[in-house]
Parts: sequence; structure tokens; C-alpha cells
Amino acid sequence: GDSVTQMEGPVTLSEEAFLTINCTYTATGYPSLFWYVQYPGEGLQLLLKATKADDKGSNKGFEATYRKETTSFHLEKGSVQVSDSAVYFCALIGTNAGNNRKLIWGLGTSLAVNP
Amino acid sequence: AAGVIQSPRHLIKEKRETATLKCYPIPRHDTVYWYQQGPGQDPQFLISFYEKMQSDKGSIPDRFSAQQFSDYHSELNMSSLELGDSALYFCASSNGRRGGNEQFFGPGTRLTVL
Repeated sequence: GDSVTQMEGPVTLSEEAFLTINCTYTATGYPSLFWYVQYPGEGLQLLLKATKADDKGSNKGFEATYRKETTSFHLEKGSVQVSDSAVYFCALIGTNAGNNRKLIWGLGTSLAVNP
Repeated sequence: AAGVIQSPRHLIKEKRETATLKCYPIPRHDTVYWYQQGPGQDPQFLISFYEKMQSDKGSIPDRFSAQQFSDYHSELNMSSLELGDSALYFCASSNGRRGGNEQFFGPGTRLTVL
């Protein structure tokens, strides 16, 4: 079945450091790929998405490129801020989902940014 | 813009009690998903509804049931609560007819079973 694997956390960075959170997937066809963010004590917010190969999703300085050849969707940000401290989830919706478009989630990566 | 509404936001129950969680999707969204997120865990898909019919079922215990009503809101009914049911329960909605696959999440209901 479809699955998502993302790097384990926690990740601890200093402010203005470069961030990469790796995410790879297993799925048939061309799934849609997502990054969700969960700030402490809050719900899940869509950070960015990509629906076809070579698409780049971007939002709030974060970027991720849909790489079909490496089945990856790594999240990057050039300069993190303390306010980026959160848990980041990589997720997909399979191509053959039809109306059953449940999200398949990675385990989440906790990011802590120190001033 | 209107978002997904969940109620209640917090709920405390005793073991073996019942609980009902409600979800009001974004207007004109016809698909609702329920997820359970335990402490420090990734969300686990429970069940989904499309046009008031169950469309998919995940790891939902038999003690739980859910339905989607004519106004597209959904309710998750939980009976014989156990300590392990303590979690954040998220509802998400999407517009299935338009083919959109983006799911919009509500703020969640935090259920604590004592």
C-alpha cells in the first residue's frame, strides 16, 4: 500500500539556519503530496502541496519539489525562525483514491528553533 | 473565509461513558474525514463520508460509529470509552465533486478519558 517515510526528529536548529526535512513516498502512479504543520497545542494546517511531478509547492518561505524519479518531497527553508518551531507532517493522497481520498501520513518531524 | 468547525473543543469523560463529536464542514464541501491523533503520534484515519455515504473506513474501533447528515455535518459517536481513546480528534472536509483533493482541517476536539 501507499506509505510515507520522513526523517525522524527532533530537529534542533539555531535561528536563520537552513532547514531540510526529508520525505520519501511509496505509491503507484502520481499521488498528490502535502506538507502539514502543527504548532504546539493547535490543529493541522496545510503548509504546501504539489500535485504532479516537478511541481514546487511554496508558502511562508518553505519549499518542496515533487521528485518522481526519487519519490521524494523534501521540505526546505533557507532561514528558519523561532516561530517555525512545530511538528511537520508529510502526507499523500494516492492516485487511485477515487472518492476515498484519505491522507496517508508520515510520522511527523518535530522542529525546535532556538534564538 | 469559513473554516471547518468542530465541537466541543475539549471533552472529559469517564471510562465506559459515551461521547459525541461534531464536525461542520466548509460550506459546499461534501466530503468529511475523521482522524485520531494520539500524543506524539501521526494522525490515524478513522472514517470518511462522501455525499452522506460512508466512502472509506480505516482503523475505527467497533465501539465507534459515525454518520454524515443531510446538511453535510458529521458526528462521531464513541461508546464504552477506554483510557486509550484519549486523543485529538480531527475532522477535515473537501469538495469531492470538484475533484479537489485538498483537505481542510478543523481545530480538533481534545478528548480526555479518565
